[in-house]
Amino acid sequence: AQRVTQPEKLLSVFKGAPVELKCNYSYSGSPELFWYVQYSRQRLQLLLRHISRESIKGFTADLNKGETSFHLKKPFAQEEDSAMYYCALKQETSGSRLTFGEGTQLTVNP
Amino acid sequence: NAGVMQNPRHLVRRRGQEARLRCSPMKGHSHVYWYRQLPEEGLKFMVYLQKENIIDESGMPKERFSAEFPKEGPSILRIQQVVRGDSAAYFCASSPRAADLNTEAFFGQGTRLTVV
Repeated sequence: AQRVTQPEKLLSVFKGAPVELKCNYSYSGSPELFWYVQYSRQRLQLLLRHISRESIKGFTADLNKGETSFHLKKPFAQEEDSAMYYCALKQETSGSRLTFGEGTQLTVNP
Repeated sequence: NAGVMQNPRHLVRRRGQEARLRCSPMKGHSHVYWYRQLPEEGLKFMVYLQKENIIDESGMPKERFSAEFPKEGPSILRIQQVVRGDSAAYFCASSPRAADLNTEAFFGQGTRLTVV
């Protein structure tokens, strides 16, 4: 069965510091990986997906199939990045059904 | 496009009552997904519906929970005889289609159910 693990529930950094939110997955097939973000009192929204290989709000994530990881990185964190971040996996044949990690609450301190 | 609309945003029910959660997908979307987020946990898939059909209900509890997505109107997640353990945030997502790997699901703001 597929599984997504985010080992850190809480992550706190200072403004301007690099940040890395870890995500590991287990899935025997070819998954599609996503990062979703939820700002305070707002809906969950897609941040980025591995197939598009784009950078959104300065965040990047590379799919490492050897390590089964999809860590989210940003070289210089900003206060407005404070939010809940969820890593998610979509199977090849599950429509848009997603398997989520438990989330990491990122706090960027001034 | 107003996005995925869920109502109510907050719902309080006494043990034994019924809870009805509504989800109106984005315009043009015919696929709906329900997720539940228990306190301190991530979102867990419950059920995937297309108009008038349940495609995958492998995440639904076997008893008291049901979902529908009629031809007209919103999708409804119904919880009968609620218990304290049903207290959670329930999120709905919609997508225009399912088969394409590039399909993105858009989420509603969720309904927070509290059972007292």
